[in-house]
Amino acid sequence: EADIYQTPRYLVIGTGKKITLECSQTMGHDKMYWYQQDPGMELHLIHYSYGVNSTEKGDLSSESTVSRIRTEHFPLTLESARPSHTSQYLCASSEYVGRGGTGELFFGEGSRLTVL
Amino acid sequence: DQQVKQNSPSLSVQEGRISILNCDYTNSMFDYFLWYKKYPAEGPTFLISISSIKDKNEDGRFTVFLNKSAKHLSLHIVPSQPGDSAVYFCAASDGNNDMRFGAGTRLTVKP
Repeated sequence: EADIYQTPRYLVIGTGKKITLECSQTMGHDKMYWYQQDPGMELHLIHYSYGVNSTEKGDLSSESTVSRIRTEHFPLTLESARPSHTSQYLCASSEYVGRGGTGELFFGEGSRLTVL
Repeated sequence: DQQVKQNSPSLSVQEGRISILNCDYTNSMFDYFLWYKKYPAEGPTFLISISSIKDKNEDGRFTVFLNKSAKHLSLHIVPSQPGDSAVYFCAASDGNNDMRFGAGTRLTVKP
């Protein structure tokens, strides 16, 4: 069972609000990711991190930002939420293949965001 | 540019029969392929994987086949069970640990 946790699981907020989606993992993984998924669509990589103080943008342009101050924590922030940000956000982590990892991603349960 | 494609959004099979889920990819640099299973309101969970040096990997009722020349892989579930009903995502990695996912196929196994 993967030890990666996301909060909140569900969030409904009004336009213009600032929100932070939390993600924590206890596996000591260096790599962490944020994916965005809409129903019936593929998971789109929006942010990833190779380790502490490392953050990179993914394939899908996103107005969100991330930080990686601690290995276990990778929060995602939207400064001013809009209805177009309504989606499911999935956090994941993995270990480098060269350090004994298999390349497998371990996912959290997701945060479903609805912006009214 | 969708590098991993699952062209069937849904599949329905009878309990006990074989389920075959298909996936195509375009990037010849992909060398590691995975299948994830996702239930509603949960995150995806790893199911089975295959390296590009193999053409088949089996784990219980689940078998993944890889055809590198056709850039195609498939997941076979036999026999299918109602508990297998979920969305199945195909994923591919190019060795840099950056993974690309397909859009998923919703499998429904009818009792």
